Amino acid sequence: KAGVTQTPRYLIKTRGQQVTLSCSPISGHRSVSWYQQTPGQGLQFLFEYFSETQRNKGNFPGRFSGRQFSNSRSEMNVSTLELGDSALYLCASSLGSGRPYEQYFGPGTRLTVT
Amino acid sequence: GEDVEQSLFLSVREGDSSVINCTYTDSSSTYLYWYKQEPGAGLQLLTYIFSNMDMKQDQRLTVLLNKKDKHLSLRIADTQTGDSAIYFCAENPLSGGYQKVTFGTGTKLQVIP
Repeated sequence: KAGVTQTPRYLIKTRGQQVTLSCSPISGHRSVSWYQQTPGQGLQFLFEYFSETQRNKGNFPGRFSGRQFSNSRSEMNVSTLELGDSALYLCASSLGSGRPYEQYFGPGTRLTVT
Repeated sequence: GEDVEQSLFLSVREGDSSVINCTYTDSSSTYLYWYKQEPGAGLQLLTYIFSNMDMKQDQRLTVLLNKKDKHLSLRIADTQTGDSAIYFCAENPLSGGYQKVTFGTGTKLQVIP
């Protein structure tokens, strides 16, 4: 079974630009969660999508948004990039229902904002 | 709210046992997880335990849970250089109608040959 894939793996953007990251979950998984990982703040939860609906959201500004398609693939978008948005963005897929809630992570997209 | 804390760094010699500790604060029934992150990679789920259990063993990994103190530990027997990584504990309480996972800050394990 193929794992979680994220594209692109590396990205360099300029302040003020916007960016779209993509995540393809494991086949059969309906939930995709996004996390931001930085040395200072650690792993912070952005949002979770299940069956094309956002069902959980972390404490990030509205510049961070996402969506999920009918095939469970998900994208997250960051508009008006700031230097502080430089981070490793991880997505995790899971079945999405029941416990234990086992999440399988992709390798991440390393975003650098200059 | 949930808060998960870990020590930042642990150094052990190859062949010794490693013990990584974690404390959590949620009072509900909860699942607790251990993840491993190698450099340049995402997180890999190692094992998990439900809060009604005291211990879980899986090959070289032993998870111990002290519910009274809300203390979780991961013991790695016969630690190898390939075990060098950052280890995260995470909590997923059963309260609420949605899945909410809180991760600790991560413990960097350095294995000295």
